[in-house]
Amino acid sequence: DQQVKQNSPSLSVQEGRISILNCDYTNSMFDYFLWYKKYPAEGPTFLISISSIKDKNEDGRFTVFLNKSAKHLSLHIVPSQPGDSAVYFCAASGGSSGSARQLTFGSGTQLTVLP
Amino acid sequence: DAEITQSPRHKITETGRQVTLACHQTWNHNNMFWYRQDLGHGLRLIHYSYGVQDTNKGEVSDGYSVSRSNTEDLPLTLESAASSQTSVYFCASSELQASYNEQFFGPGTRLTVL
Repeated sequence: DQQVKQNSPSLSVQEGRISILNCDYTNSMFDYFLWYKKYPAEGPTFLISISSIKDKNEDGRFTVFLNKSAKHLSLHIVPSQPGDSAVYFCAASGGSSGSARQLTFGSGTQLTVLP
Repeated sequence: DAEITQSPRHKITETGRQVTLACHQTWNHNNMFWYRQDLGHGLRLIHYSYGVQDTNKGEVSDGYSVSRSNTEDLPLTLESAASSQTSVYFCASSELQASYNEQFFGPGTRLTVL
């Protein structure tokens, strides 16, 4: 059973518009959430994160929103640029001190920003 | 600059052969991880280590083993390669921080088992 789910395998957005990528989780012990970006033939790179004590974290064009009651988080990219085209992975960590160091990943969403 | 490297970047092998994928990090991180990436599954944890001589099984550890003899390296061994182990493999490392838990990833190794 997947504890972190990204239900949209792909998303296409026009350049300049907002991209919204969604992620749901089932484990209430998760207390830290991260988004990673992955280009073809490269490793994932960290993009932005949020602690469960917050409901929003912003970094430039990227904002992550966390709704703990719904066990849902989303990544907003405004404005979207062609260079944002990549696979985006949602990840979560938390629980006991050991498992807090582990990340559980979603299956990823391929974002395509059309010029 | 600190980095994490993987070798080889591409490997083709035959069923039943033993294969070892190398991972080397210069971050001096205690935590190291191996993942495999498959379509529809995202990144799944194979094995991880929280320090020298420490190794632990992850979600999909069957058919894989690791050893940690120093801080910098965590080689992943496929004892007897199977076609189901055709995948892209990523190594990652991290240092547990109070405020975040970012893992740094290597460039990946694409393994094909024929």
